[in-house]
Amino acid sequence: AQTVTQSQPEMSVQEAETVTLSCTYDTSESDYYLFWYKQPPSRQMILVIRQEAYKQQNATENRFSVNFQKAAKSFSLKISDSQLGDAAMYFCAYRGGTYKYIFGTGTRLKVLA
Amino acid sequence: EAQVTQNPRYLITVTGKKLTVTCSQNMNHEYMSWYRQDPGLGLRQIYYSMNVEVTDKGDVPEGYKVSRKEKRNFPLILESPSPNQTSLYFCASGDWTASSTNEKLFFGSGTQLSVL
Repeated sequence: AQTVTQSQPEMSVQEAETVTLSCTYDTSESDYYLFWYKQPPSRQMILVIRQEAYKQQNATENRFSVNFQKAAKSFSLKISDSQLGDAAMYFCAYRGGTYKYIFGTGTRLKVLA
Repeated sequence: EAQVTQNPRYLITVTGKKLTVTCSQNMNHEYMSWYRQDPGLGLRQIYYSMNVEVTDKGDVPEGYKVSRKEKRNFPLILESPSPNQTSLYFCASGDWTASSTNEKLFFGSGTQLSVL
């Protein structure tokens, strides 16, 4: 069975600094998708970034980028120039061929002014 | 406006009293799914549906039922709720016919359920 692990329950970053959130996963599938979702205090779930496993190039969306290491089964999220609005719970998620989604336990990010 | 509408937002009930949480999407998505969110456990998938009349179990289906009679609706039914089903519930939809580069779940605003 696939698993997703987020080992950092909470992280803090100074405004305008860079922070990296970790995610590891386990799977025997070769074709899958990985995601980072953000959940602000409003509790709305928002897609931050997506990575297709067959793509070697790391995905980037403005200040958000990933470090996808397929062999190591690692999928970390880097947030550059952190802003107060980035404060939220961040979930790493995996979707394989069965269309089941597996989410990690989340990392709460605090942004310090 | 494209959205997933989930109702109610808050619900307090008692053990054993059947309840239904509704979920409706207006994007003509084939895929719909339900999750529960618990502190320290993240989101866990309860059920998902690839299309009308097609449903599959997620990781925590015990105590829940779903039906997909229409494409837009995917209600979650708790026939006999118990206190361990107290949780924050999310419905989501997605379009898998689109390019994989656009894959994305659209989430409802959540239902906070308390079972006393």
